[in-house]
Amino acid sequence: GEDVEQSLFLSVREGDSSVINCTYTDSSSTYLYWYKQEPGAGLQLLTYIFSNMDMKQDQRLTVLLNKKDKHLSLRIADTQTGDSAIYFCAETGSSASKIIFGSGTRLSIRP
Amino acid sequence: NAGVTQTPKFRVLKTGQSMTLLCAQDMNHEYMYWYRQDPGMGLRLIHYSVGEGTTAKGEVPDGYNVSRLKKQNFLLGLESAAPSQTSVYFCASRGSSGNTIYFGEGSWLTVV
Repeated sequence: GEDVEQSLFLSVREGDSSVINCTYTDSSSTYLYWYKQEPGAGLQLLTYIFSNMDMKQDQRLTVLLNKKDKHLSLRIADTQTGDSAIYFCAETGSSASKIIFGSGTRLSIRP
Repeated sequence: NAGVTQTPKFRVLKTGQSMTLLCAQDMNHEYMYWYRQDPGMGLRLIHYSVGEGTTAKGEVPDGYNVSRLKKQNFLLGLESAAPSQTSVYFCASRGSSGNTIYFGEGSWLTVV
């Protein structure tokens, strides 16, 4: 079945780059997503990547997709205190109708 | 354009009571979803719908029922609430050709 795995915590120093990793099991996923959730709020779409792409860059965000290893990563350059949040990886799954989420990675920023 | 709206936002229920969460979207989306979010467990899919009149089970459907009588609305029902159903519930929608999922703001449910 479909499964998405992420590490639960990441701590980085302000100004450094953050790299959040995700592995998934369904090789037929069409889209893979990164969402951000701030405390007490809903989910905000950060970026997505189509499964036939290797990389996507959007300002401070870089998404890398390794289809062979079923590995997705999100790099945030020049991490700021406003980047503190939980980051969720998600995939569409084989049916393309379901969206399956990982457990989320809590990013904390050290001064 | 309101997007995805969930009601109510907060609710406290006693064990055994029933209630319905309403999700409404004004984007004419085909797909609608109900998720629950628990600490350290991310979002787990409860039920989803691929169009008006259709529903399907997700990862954790037990204890919940859903209906999609109108395309714009997706209702989540708890027939006999249990403390294990204390959670934050999120509704989401997506167009059939779209790659973006739109989320509601969440409904905080506590069962005592």
